[in-house]
Amino acid sequence: DSGVTQTPKHLITATGQRVTLRCSPRSGDLSVYWYQQSLDQGLQFLIQYYNGEERAKGNILERFSAQQFPDLHSELNLSSLELGDSALYFCASSVGLRGSSGNTIYFGEGSWLTVV
Amino acid sequence: AQTVTQSQPEMSVQEAETVTLSCTYDTSESDYYLFWYKQPPSRQMILVIRQEAYKQQNATENRFSVNFQKAAKSFSLKISDSQLGDAAMYFCASKSAQGGSEKLVFGKGTKLTVNP
Repeated sequence: DSGVTQTPKHLITATGQRVTLRCSPRSGDLSVYWYQQSLDQGLQFLIQYYNGEERAKGNILERFSAQQFPDLHSELNLSSLELGDSALYFCASSVGLRGSSGNTIYFGEGSWLTVV
Repeated sequence: AQTVTQSQPEMSVQEAETVTLSCTYDTSESDYYLFWYKQPPSRQMILVIRQEAYKQQNATENRFSVNFQKAAKSFSLKISDSQLGDAAMYFCASKSAQGGSEKLVFGKGTKLTVNP
């Protein structure tokens, strides 16, 4: 158990709909990352938050948005869903500070999204 | 920008034997971290081993060890005494240690099969 909690574990929704994926980082971790893993692609970095502020943005579509709340949990919002958005969405966390223990990123179990 | 290349899409090994998974990376930064993650059929991302670029000594975790060749930008993973539970996708990843974005950049992965 990595300590990173993601909900829901599985989600099936229709095209055009909107869903929210939730992530609770490990206790004490300030950085939260979102990754997308499709069947035919590797792990794609979407976005990173550090202590409530956006720190880095990757290949995140405009239909997707995220935020990190004061209690450090994060949500990834996916809207106007398309079939191609079906994927495993990972949340990960790290302390976010320099140092030997501050740079390992731990992953949650992922949220399986199926768009039908 | 950092890039990570895993040139072996699939590898196989006999139980109890040793196997080496290859990884090369490219980065313009002098301070960075390298990781191997394991993704079993459950799809959870599990940290196997990490290496700080400033350390010359190769990291070791039980049956897992790395051969870190900084000048060649090579970071291979050796699994000794392979077990059936080692069967998984293995991802090599790099991460900047500098402030700002600390995202992981992943290779495409190597699927390891362990034959009994």
